[in-house]
Amino acid sequence: DAMVIQNPRYQVTQFGKPVTLSCSQTLNHNVMYWYQQKSSQAPKLLFHYYDKDFNNEADTPDNFQSRRPNTSFCFLDIRSPGLGDAAMYLCATSRASGNSPLHFGNGTRLTVT
Amino acid sequence: KQEVTQIPAALSVPEGENLVLNCSFTDSAIYNLQWFRQDPGKGLTSLLLIQSSQREQTSGRLNASLDKSSGRSTLYIAASQPGDSATYLCAVRQAGGYQKVTFGTGTKLQVIP
Repeated sequence: DAMVIQNPRYQVTQFGKPVTLSCSQTLNHNVMYWYQQKSSQAPKLLFHYYDKDFNNEADTPDNFQSRRPNTSFCFLDIRSPGLGDAAMYLCATSRASGNSPLHFGNGTRLTVT
Repeated sequence: KQEVTQIPAALSVPEGENLVLNCSFTDSAIYNLQWFRQDPGKGLTSLLLIQSSQREQTSGRLNASLDKSSGRSTLYIAASQPGDSATYLCAVRQAGGYQKVTFGTGTKLQVIP
């Protein structure tokens, strides 16, 4: 089945140790999103790609970066994780059209020790 | 900047009751609005998508309406069941080619048997 896959499901990293989260899709969607969701809060958009165009939210910390080497893959890099970066990270994809829904992966839960 | 608000933040109802969840947004230049449910600690499940040209969409016991000009959407759940207990989120996709999707603040629903 076509889908959005996030690896790993659970990630534990140490304070200040770089970590990379990955997202892949078989839907051939041209838009990919990264959201951060903390406990009991709504998902917060970090950045998204529309094809190769990268769109960074104004309030996304510099600590967070992203790469999209091709249509299928997108990575979230956290250069120096702090305790406040512990959260669920959600990847979503979509076609760039009004009738195209967001498709989400199962998320990666990041713990910072 | 698009602001999306959901009222109420939490709702507790007895089983069998019909209920309405509200979503309001500040910028009416949207492509679509999508409703999701999220169970605790889980990812997001898509419920309904309404395009900007549509007034409503139905799926089973769910009916979503959209009044784009007034910046409002409602999710109607008929004959609520304990299995409907979850957090419900609306998400708005911005028009204009940017493809940004902003989530609402969420409504936590509890259906009491």
